Amino acid sequence: DAKTTQPPSMDCAEGRAANLPCNHSTISGNEYVYWYRQIHSQGPQYIIHGLKNNETNEMASLIITEDRKSSTLILPHATLRDTAVYYCIVRVLAAGGTSYGKLTFGQGTILTVHP
Amino acid sequence: DAGVIQSPRHEVTEMGQEVTLRCKPISGHDYLFWYRQTMMRGLELLIYFNNNVPIDDSGMPEDRFSAKMPNASFSTLKIQPSEPRDSAVYFCASSIEGGRNEQFFGPGTRLTVL
Repeated sequence: DAKTTQPPSMDCAEGRAANLPCNHSTISGNEYVYWYRQIHSQGPQYIIHGLKNNETNEMASLIITEDRKSSTLILPHATLRDTAVYYCIVRVLAAGGTSYGKLTFGQGTILTVHP
Repeated sequence: DAGVIQSPRHEVTEMGQEVTLRCKPISGHDYLFWYRQTMMRGLELLIYFNNNVPIDDSGMPEDRFSAKMPNASFSTLKIQPSEPRDSAVYFCASSIEGGRNEQFFGPGTRLTVL
């Protein structure tokens, strides 16, 4: 799986948008971009994923650049409960092979939302 | 749905003892994953199963670690003998092939080896 680079920490004011960047310059054509987050003392939680088009769900939006070398996770109105470690992961989804299903977590970005 | 269930939630043991961690995946899920999280190494995949068969155990640190999945609703991770450096939070996760291939994580087992 391609390696990702994220800033170690970010701050955001409550109610404002949180924009978390991720670089994945060696991403392959069949690799998806996934975002998970881990709130303190809990297991990681899926947020969103995409291949090349921008995606939006009830939790967040994912913007992937046209060359797919980077992406941004957007939490449109951050709350205190969004304080967590956010992981950007690239992974193959095609069935077969030992890489299928694996999530390789980096160090992630510690997002702190303050009042 | 109760989600992924792990037991025990906390385990304190002495060096040299056998430790068994348990996981019940979400019903109907065909993938099961064991992860370990420490401050130094972050979150690491140890092993994963598909339809109860181990697919990739390259993350298992050494022979002291073993994992089994005797049926679709139960898996164990065993450490024998345990060492202080095994102290970590161990997460189990499950997923189903297709759709968003989202992994659902359990609450974790915090293991302390004295």
